[in-house]
Amino acid sequence: DVKVTQSSRYLVKRTGEKVFLECVQDMDHENMFWYRQDPGLGLRLIYFSYDVKMKEKGDIPEGYSVSREKKERFSLILESASTNQTSMYLCASTNGGGHTYNEQFFGPGTRLTVL
Amino acid sequence: DAKTTQPNSMESNEEEPVHLPCNHSTISGTDYIHWYRQLPSQGPEYVIHGLTSNVNNRMASLAIAEDRKSSTLILHRATLRDAAVYYCILISSGSARQLTFGSGTQLTVLP
Repeated sequence: DVKVTQSSRYLVKRTGEKVFLECVQDMDHENMFWYRQDPGLGLRLIYFSYDVKMKEKGDIPEGYSVSREKKERFSLILESASTNQTSMYLCASTNGGGHTYNEQFFGPGTRLTVL
Repeated sequence: DAKTTQPNSMESNEEEPVHLPCNHSTISGTDYIHWYRQLPSQGPEYVIHGLTSNVNNRMASLAIAEDRKSSTLILHRATLRDAAVYYCILISSGSARQLTFGSGTQLTVLP
C-alpha cells in the first residue's frame, strides 16, 4: 500500500518560532509537493521538487523554504512562524517526469496553529 | 488551467447511485479531467481521470460529454464512507505540475 506520511497531524507553535514539517513517501516518486489548504481558498501550492536538491516556487512561497536532501523526504520550513501561517499543510508526491495527469498521492495533512 | 464549476453540495441515499456534475466550458484540447475527493480530516485522494472517452475504475465511473464541456462522476452505490468533498480539476499536460482545487461539491450520504 503506497504511503505518504507527515511528521505530525497537529502542531501548535508560537509566533517567531522556526517550524519544520516533514514528509516522507515510500513510492520512489520523483516529484513532491507542499500545499496549504484554507477554507474558501482551496489548495495552494507553496513549493515543489522534481528531484533531489531541486526545488521550485509555487504560488505562495513567501515565508517558507524547503529542503530535499533525499528522494523520499521533502521538508517544509517556516523560518519565523506568523499567525497567518495557521493552516492545514498537505504534502503530495507523484512519479514520472512531472506529467500532471499522473495521480498525486497525498499525506494526511498537518494542522498547524501559530499563536 | 481552465475553470470548473460544481454544485456546492449534494445529497444521496445510501446504496443509490450518485451523479456529481462538473461544467468546464473553457476546456482546451490538452486538458485532462481529474476527480479527487477529500474525506473529513484527511488529505485528498485520487478518484479517476479521463481525456475524451468514458472511464471506469474500482471506485467510480467518469462520463465525459461529447463536446467535453461537462463531465459527471458516477458512484454506482453510495456508501456512508463516500461522504466527502469531491473536486473536479482540469490539468493540461503542458502546464505546471501542481493541482489547483476549487471549492468542490460536499456529498452527504444519508443512511
